[in-house]
Amino acid sequence: EAQVTQNPRYLITVTGKKLTVTCSQNMNHEYMSWYRQDPGLGLRQIYYSMNVEVTDKGDVPEGYKVSRKEKRNFPLILESPSPNQTSLYFCASSAGTGGTDTQYFGPGTRLTVL
Amino acid sequence: GQNIDQPTEMTATEGAIVQINCTYQTSGFNGLFWYQQHAGEAPTFLSYNVLDGLEEKGRFSSFLSRSKGYSYLLLKELQMKDSASYLCAVRRVDSNYQLIWGAGTKLIIKP
Repeated sequence: EAQVTQNPRYLITVTGKKLTVTCSQNMNHEYMSWYRQDPGLGLRQIYYSMNVEVTDKGDVPEGYKVSRKEKRNFPLILESPSPNQTSLYFCASSAGTGGTDTQYFGPGTRLTVL
Repeated sequence: GQNIDQPTEMTATEGAIVQINCTYQTSGFNGLFWYQQHAGEAPTFLSYNVLDGLEEKGRFSSFLSRSKGYSYLLLKELQMKDSASYLCAVRRVDSNYQLIWGAGTKLIIKP
């Protein structure tokens, strides 16, 4: 089954404790992206990757890191989480960024930083 | 600046028709998407418009007017399962064709 998976689905942590949210897709997609979703603000892009070893900042990259060492994986790293990073996070992938290339989303990771 | 506006919430009756509007101001335009998102779940793709006009797909249709920076999603024969948020997103020409998203419209269907 074609899908995007994320782990963990739920996470409660404390300020300053490094964490990683994993994202993996099995569709051989070149493009992957991380979003956060907060009430009333819609999806905001954190980082994206056009291909292996190619990553770029989105609209809200501060406090986050990513890597793209393999095509299928795109982990999101919070080196020192803070309460304002409490949010619902989605990973997405698509074949590309043109035409009808639609983004497929993972199930989401609900993160709470105390 | 870049901005996408949608109504925050709408209510409709089962079996009726509802139109959800989206207006946008972006630096360049390369297509508009509509996604559906049920509470607590991931967004799923509904439709894509890049040229002016109406795209019909079953009970759902999407319209685009590029000159007016305007789109709408039309849902016919509403069912209870259509209760969800509907997200409008525009692909920008700048920023490597990234999507900018509206805050979404929460649609409540009443029996």
